[in-house]
Amino acid sequence: DIVMIQSPDSLAVSLGERATINCKSSQSVLYSSNNNNYLAWYQQKSGQPPKLLIYWASTRESGVPDRFSGSGSGTDFTLTISSLQAEDVAVYYCQQYYIAPYTFGQGTKVEIK
Amino acid sequence: EVQVVESGGGLVQPGGSLRLSCAASGFTFSDHYMDWVRQAPGKGLEWVGRSRNKANNYLSEYGASVKGRFTISRDDSKNSLYLQMNSLKTEDTAVYYCAARIAAPAPEYWGQGILVTVSS
Repeated sequence: DIVMIQSPDSLAVSLGERATINCKSSQSVLYSSNNNNYLAWYQQKSGQPPKLLIYWASTRESGVPDRFSGSGSGTDFTLTISSLQAEDVAVYYCQQYYIAPYTFGQGTKVEIK
Repeated sequence: EVQVVESGGGLVQPGGSLRLSCAASGFTFSDHYMDWVRQAPGKGLEWVGRSRNKANNYLSEYGASVKGRFTISRDDSKNSLYLQMNSLKTEDTAVYYCAARIAAPAPEYWGQGILVTVSS
């Protein structure tokens, strides 16, 4: 199984500042035939289901604010919130959908400093 | 409007069985992949399994911790997905989410979740 490791486990960022979350996979999730990284990012607010933010490692889901961006390729990925807003307080998860089982990272909790 | 709604959760004893249902609407159900994802109390997300669409012969895939105990099925005539859970263990206690993959390659429409508690 592909193991997904996120870092850090939690971070506190001041309003308006940048938040960066990393995700590393135990093997590449880049499919060479189409050059796509099979990596998604989700946001889960307290008491709510997860919300898809980004897929193909860097494509924003419709309606997601452009302060959220994804980058990376192969085994190393990053989710960046360019200017943290109060409504961004949540736990963020990466997930690989390259090969079953489609494993999640352990989550990163983002709070306001 | 796309909606997915889970039902069938509750309290069950260890070793028992339970079937969850997921009612979908707002899209052509047979055309799309459907996932089950769970979340134990205070823990992270765990992928449980997936049902591929009609074009992919409804192939089902499972996570290691549930393989051989859980079975995913679907009834396209009822726009419904099911999760049959057998030989339940206390560690299966979780909120179970049903999620639909519509336009994105990852689950994008999620239900509110249903709680399953396995306890004596």
